[in-house]
Amino acid sequence: EAGVAQSPRYKIIEKRQSVAFWCNPISGHATLYWYQQILGQGPKLLIQFQNNGVVDDSQLPKDRFSAERLKGVDSTLKIQPAKLEDSAVYLCASSLWDSLTGELFFGEGSRLTVL
Amino acid sequence: DAKTTQPPSMDCAEGRAANLPCNHSTISGNEYVYWYRQIHSQGPQYIIHGLKNNETNEMASLIITEDRKSSTLILPHATLRDTAVYYCIRSGDSGGYQKVTFGTGTKLQVIP
Repeated sequence: EAGVAQSPRYKIIEKRQSVAFWCNPISGHATLYWYQQILGQGPKLLIQFQNNGVVDDSQLPKDRFSAERLKGVDSTLKIQPAKLEDSAVYLCASSLWDSLTGELFFGEGSRLTVL
Repeated sequence: DAKTTQPPSMDCAEGRAANLPCNHSTISGNEYVYWYRQIHSQGPQYIIHGLKNNETNEMASLIITEDRKSSTLILPHATLRDTAVYYCIRSGDSGGYQKVTFGTGTKLQVIP
């Protein structure tokens, strides 16, 4: 079974530039998560989709971050314009979500460096 | 608000059991306890989860106290590859969807 795919693995940009990350979840997984992980910290949830609808984006900085999940499958996360503090690993995860097997499957992440 | 409390770091000798504690004193009745680990430069990996009963799988055992206010993850024979950050998470139905909030975790160092 293929895992969660993310790209690019690494991206270096200058502040005020824009960047986009792509995620392809495990086939059939209805729930998709984007997390931001700053060095030395635990992952912080940015946005959560159930199929193609947003169920939680309370911690997404909406003035610069946006995300979409077209057709309830792939998802993109965009940052425009980037700030220095956006340097982090962006993790995508997916899950089936039922009460017995609600584990999240994570991709390897996209590491962003903002100069 | 991660709602779980873990020690920031622990050491364990290779071959010995690693016992990682977690406090979740305000856990609600429908919330499960999940454990994940994150090896350097990788995404978190699911280990085990439980509701009330103790659980065991090929990776670890999970011991949940009777009052469900705390739990312990046990790695029975730690190896150097078990060096990682371990996250204890409460997760359950949050208005029709699963909410998963990570804390800062416990950094486990397995020593040769």
